Amino acid sequence: NAGVMQNPRHLVRRRGQEARLRCSPMKGHSHVYWYRQLPEEGLKFMVYLQKENIIDESGMPKERFSAEFPKEGPSILRIQQVVRGDSAAYFCASSPPLARETQYFGPGTRLLVL
Amino acid sequence: KQEVTQIPAALSVPEGENLVLNCSFTDSAIYNLQWFRQDPGKGLTSLLLIQSSQREQTSGRLNASLDKSSGRSTLYIAASQPGDSATYLCAVIRGAAGNKLTFGGGTRVLVKP
Repeated sequence: NAGVMQNPRHLVRRRGQEARLRCSPMKGHSHVYWYRQLPEEGLKFMVYLQKENIIDESGMPKERFSAEFPKEGPSILRIQQVVRGDSAAYFCASSPPLARETQYFGPGTRLLVL
Repeated sequence: KQEVTQIPAALSVPEGENLVLNCSFTDSAIYNLQWFRQDPGKGLTSLLLIQSSQREQTSGRLNASLDKSSGRSTLYIAASQPGDSATYLCAVIRGAAGNKLTFGGGTRVLVKP
C-alpha cells in the first residue's frame, strides 16, 4: 500500500505565475488535508476535503488559494499569481473514512517563488 | 483558540542520554494528541497517538504521556541514538468538532555521538 504521494516534490515559480500542487491519498482514504510550513514557522492547517466537498477551509488565505478533491484523481491545491511570501513547504495528509484516525503525511512539495 | 507550545525549541544531548520533550496546549478539550518526527527536507512520520481517554502510549524506546487537565504531554525517548536527531512535533485535534491538527513549533533534537 503506497503512502501519500505528492508531486512535484519541488516547484519553482516566478511571481505572478500559477502553482498547482497534487496529492494522491493512500488507498482507501477519502479524507485529505493540506498544511503549510512557512520558513522558520510551524505547520498550519489550510483545508480539509472529502471527495467533491470542502469540509473546512478556515486556514486558507482568502485570495488566490483554492483546493479541490474531485471524484476521480488527486487533490489539487492551486495558488494563483504567486508571491514570494508563498514560498513554503506544502504537506498533504490523508485519513480513512473513520475521520479522526491518524493522518498520514506525504513528503511535501517545496515551493520557491523567485 | 487552541495554541500548542513546545519547549525547548532545540535540544542537544550526548548519545545514550534520555530525551524529554514537552508539549503544552491551552484548550484541554482535545480528541487526541499525536507526536510526529520530521527529518530535514522530509515529511512527517507519526510516532505515537494518544486518545483523550488515555494517559500514555509506548512504542519501543518511545513513551508519551498525556495530562489533559493540565494541558501537557511529554515524549520520552530512552537511550538516545544519533539516528534520533530530527525535529519532533506534537499536534492536537479539538474534541468538539473538526479534524484539523494544531501543531506546536517543534523541538529540534541533536544527538551527538
